[in-house]
Amino acid sequence: AQSVTQLGSHVSVSEGALVLLRCNYSSSVPPYLFWYVQYPNQGLQLLLKYTSAATLVKGINGFEAEFKKSETSFHLTKPSAHMSDAAEYFCAVSLPGSNYKLTFGKGTLLTVNP
Amino acid sequence: DAGVTQSPTHLIKTRGQQVTLRCSPKSGHDTVSWYQQALGQGPQFIFQYYEEEERQRGNFPDRFSGHQFPNYSSELNVNALLLGDSALYLCASSLAGGPRTDTQYFGPGTRLTVL
Repeated sequence: AQSVTQLGSHVSVSEGALVLLRCNYSSSVPPYLFWYVQYPNQGLQLLLKYTSAATLVKGINGFEAEFKKSETSFHLTKPSAHMSDAAEYFCAVSLPGSNYKLTFGKGTLLTVNP
Repeated sequence: DAGVTQSPTHLIKTRGQQVTLRCSPKSGHDTVSWYQQALGQGPQFIFQYYEEEERQRGNFPDRFSGHQFPNYSSELNVNALLLGDSALYLCASSLAGGPRTDTQYFGPGTRLTVL
């Protein structure tokens, strides 16, 4: 079975500062990994995904994540936070061939201070 | 091209009642998955429908059931509602057998409140 652990339920940064949201996974086989963002009272929007191609994945809105097999991690980063980045972020894992059956972490709420 | 749509947006029910939520997948998609997102939690997989059959199921009781229609739209039914069923219910669509670089799209969700 696969699982995801997001370290830090709440991360607060200043506008213009580095954003780092942590995600560690557990999987019996090489997984697919995803980061989703959820704005208040909305559904989930895909930021980026790793599907066993390049280990450094670039997504929308300036976000990127690096798959590190040795650390079983898939941390999300953005060099410079913007006020509009304030939202809930979810890391998720699925197994190849599972047709997008996703297992999500509990989420990290990102607040951006002016 | 419409994305994933869900109805209704909000719903209030009382304990013991039954509820039906609806989802229309993104054009061209044939697989629908349902997730439950309790307040302050990540979404949890309920089940997935493909070719009008339940293909995968998460750890949810039989009170949760679903259906997929020939046009690929789907319904989620919950019987004998409990207070703990209050949550945001998300529908996601995808294309079975699509390339691994393809994307699963989520709808905006239905907020269910059980009183």
